[in-house]
Amino acid sequence: DAGITQSPRHKVTETGTPVTLRCHQTENHRYMYWYRQDPGHGLRLIHYSYGVKDTDKGEVSDGYSVSRSKTEDFLLTLESATSSQTSVYFCAISLTKTNYGYTFGSGTRLTVV
Amino acid sequence: SQKIEQNSEALNIQEGKTATLTCNYTNYSPAYLQWYRQDPGRGPVFLLLIRENEKEKRKERLKVTFDTTLKQSLFHITASQPADSATYLCALDFAIKAAGNKLTFGGGTRVLVKP
Repeated sequence: DAGITQSPRHKVTETGTPVTLRCHQTENHRYMYWYRQDPGHGLRLIHYSYGVKDTDKGEVSDGYSVSRSKTEDFLLTLESATSSQTSVYFCAISLTKTNYGYTFGSGTRLTVV
Repeated sequence: SQKIEQNSEALNIQEGKTATLTCNYTNYSPAYLQWYRQDPGRGPVFLLLIRENEKEKRKERLKVTFDTTLKQSLFHITASQPADSATYLCALDFAIKAAGNKLTFGGGTRVLVKP
């Protein structure tokens, strides 16, 4: 998707290992979000950022941490991956608040074995 | 708690007909409501945003209505085409009377347009 890149696109990791997913944007948007998408649950917000070093928790933040040291990068870390964190992770960006459409990345499919 | 409901059953529709999807929400009335399209293996794509003081919004063959009394939004695809087959997500901000910082998404409704 134009202006937003997620990496890696796919990852398989073992239970108990740390994992970091990266979201990179070239749009200079203030707001960045991490969602996970699972069958039967839809998109659920993990964490979001409203500026450099300004982050807040979403509805499913347990087991996840984030960091945003630069406008363009928003990192999602699973400190100790569990099988319940197997999911597709989407990053999104927005120029302003919720009165503006989000642009989503292509997603990272994470499998924890 | 705040909740968004979309019909989880797939909507099968004949090409050329109008597809109508429903998004219902509980509790607070959001200031903004958005609709997205998602294709398999891809991220959602923003389609339309409607404000609480707008009753209807149109974009090409798409039409969205927003009834804050019923706490419901309807999403219409007129003259549907097989290329419209996708999952459509409703999203809203539960901040009251002002834009907040985050969107909550419904589970989506899958639409299948048959030629």
